[in-house]
Amino acid sequence: QKEVEQNSGPLSVPEGAIASLNCTYSDRGSQSFFWYRQYSGKSPELIMFIYSNGDKEDGRFTAQLNKASQYVSLLIRDSQPSDSATYLCAADLSGGSNYKLTFGKGTLLTVNP
Amino acid sequence: GAVVSQHPSRVICKSGTSVKIECRSLDFQATTMFWYRQFPKQSLMLMATSNEGSKATYEQGVEKDKFLINHASLTLSTLTVTSAHPEDSSFYICSANPIQSQETQYFGPGTRLLVL
Repeated sequence: QKEVEQNSGPLSVPEGAIASLNCTYSDRGSQSFFWYRQYSGKSPELIMFIYSNGDKEDGRFTAQLNKASQYVSLLIRDSQPSDSATYLCAADLSGGSNYKLTFGKGTLLTVNP
Repeated sequence: GAVVSQHPSRVICKSGTSVKIECRSLDFQATTMFWYRQFPKQSLMLMATSNEGSKATYEQGVEKDKFLINHASLTLSTLTVTSAHPEDSSFYICSANPIQSQETQYFGPGTRLLVL
């Protein structure tokens, strides 16, 4: 069974701190990895995607991928209360054959003012 | 860019009736769209993969005769919940993959279905 695992949380950080969200996946053949943010009652919103080992930065967000360890993470710098949401990690475990994404169950992040 | 819309955003219907939900990619074309269902405080569950011009591929346990999917054009996929029952009440979300970047899914805002 191909899986994407996340710590369900909740993860609580103070405003201005760095929030670190982690994700592991089961299939070494996976090529594409995504982070989505989902506010309560809303649909997921794409934050970042990453395909290559290393770091990828976009504003306050940094995605990190380590294919050898089958590990992907998302760092949120200068966390704001508006960042409070569930963060979904997703991977294309099909290797790009059908573009289906396997989602983790999400990590609930709370940023305290 | 990469905007996906859904209509309606919210629908209430009587048990036994059918409900159609539309998913449109507004500023891109998509050969592949996906339909998900999400119950409160649970994770996304993929129902089916919708491919333009061909039959949808359903996930295990999803009844294709109950959840009819039509992907009539490169910008429109529809999901029809036939003979809806209260247990079909859920949040239905579609996503679409732009032809130019097929590995990336962009989600619509979702449709909240309540079956009485």
